[in-house]
Amino acid sequence: NAGVTQTPKFQVLKTGQSMTLQCAQDMNHEYMSWYRQDPGMGLRLIHYSVGAGITDQGEVPNGYNVSRSTTEDFPLRLLSAAPSQTSVYFCASSYAGGSNTGELFFGEGSRLTVL
Amino acid sequence: AQSVAQPEDQVNVAEGNPLTVKCTYSVSGNPYLFWYVQYPNRGLQFLLKYITGDNLVKGSYGFEAEFNKSQTSFHLKKPSALVSDSALYFCAVRDRLTGGGNKLTFGTGTQLKVEL
Repeated sequence: NAGVTQTPKFQVLKTGQSMTLQCAQDMNHEYMSWYRQDPGMGLRLIHYSVGAGITDQGEVPNGYNVSRSTTEDFPLRLLSAAPSQTSVYFCASSYAGGSNTGELFFGEGSRLTVL
Repeated sequence: AQSVAQPEDQVNVAEGNPLTVKCTYSVSGNPYLFWYVQYPNRGLQFLLKYITGDNLVKGSYGFEAEFNKSQTSFHLKKPSALVSDSALYFCAVRDRLTGGGNKLTFGTGTQLKVEL
């Protein structure tokens, strides 16, 4: 049971570089999301998707892009990395919500350092 | 808007003693409430949720939480703490009326330390 798989686990970037964090889930979940975790700030929602072809912004979307071409994959792109984007990034998925709201399933995280 | 407050950055408890990790929430309508646990260098793991019905919710590893609508609280409890319970605990909320899938808002987390 793979669940939610994130790659890479660790990455070091220089300011201005771009990169993509990959996220894949094998549970046929409609809903996928990206959070960042920073000390003292908990988890903050970056972007989310309720299905293939549908994405929307969360609480802290600036500097990040997402796309959802398939149900399984939800990559997060950093267009021009900044030191403020140094963080641990988590991908999470679930069924779409509504009256059958279930829990989010999280990946193991991707630790990003921007120098 | 929805929000969660976890007023304690850290909770220390002796093994065998009961533990409580506090959480209060704010939503426009009625809430869905969750507790998650995070062990070092790992993702968050689901512990329990309140959707509707009984105010006392039982979850994994002997944890339970009590929903109190009048106090807008959802405190996590365990009758007898174990050293292995030491971890970072997050409370999360979603307003039932919020569209856009399953957007959870998380608190800042409470570090639980259980000592021998």
